[in-house]
Amino acid sequence: DTAVSQTPKYLVTQMGNDKSIKCEQNLGHDTMYWYKQDSKKFLKIMFSYNNKELIINETVPNRFSPKSPDKAHLNLHINSLELGDSAVYFCASSARTSTDTQYFGPGTRLTVL
Amino acid sequence: AQSVTQLDSHVSVSEGTPVLLRCNYSSSYSPSLFWYVQHPNKGLQLLLKYTSAATLVKGINGFEAEFKKSETSFHLTKPSAHMSDAAEYFCVVSPYSSASKIIFGSGTRLSIRP
Repeated sequence: DTAVSQTPKYLVTQMGNDKSIKCEQNLGHDTMYWYKQDSKKFLKIMFSYNNKELIINETVPNRFSPKSPDKAHLNLHINSLELGDSAVYFCASSARTSTDTQYFGPGTRLTVL
Repeated sequence: AQSVTQLDSHVSVSEGTPVLLRCNYSSSYSPSLFWYVQHPNKGLQLLLKYTSAATLVKGINGFEAEFKKSETSFHLTKPSAHMSDAAEYFCVVSPYSSASKIIFGSGTRLSIRP
């Protein structure tokens, strides 16, 4: 069983489109995260979310929005895609806080043309 | 404020020789420190973590790291490199707070020569 899964694995789209990436965890964790990894492998946290609190990295454009239908899912919706959004996006989860071990999904490679 | 610096962007060692990947951090609070490994085209996997217990932390696959508060370092070591260790390694700092921001280092690519 995959602990943290993401769909799709690859996403190729045109500038200006709106797209979503789905994430699901079956670990019973309280907190989920979205990260962006750029072409130089640099990882930056975008959001962390549990059932009480959404924490947004202030550098993330408001075109990006997390949506959580329930504790096991945290989807990432992106409006008006730009070339600079091309990256690998990772979902992760942890039991409670960011001091707990995080379990990462396999990543979604987004290419904006 | 907190930060993490991985001192080497690329380390190359021969198979069977020791590995040293360096990480320095700064944090206003007592942090939790992690090392994660990322194999090509894969997600990240935890190698080990420090959470204010023993300063020498043992992880998976023979890796260990020593927390040195006086040097603000958390270097990753392995006595004998294996070809399967070739990957990207990330040092991570997270302060002890439920609403905190986790910071990843810029990564160190480890190459293993036969």
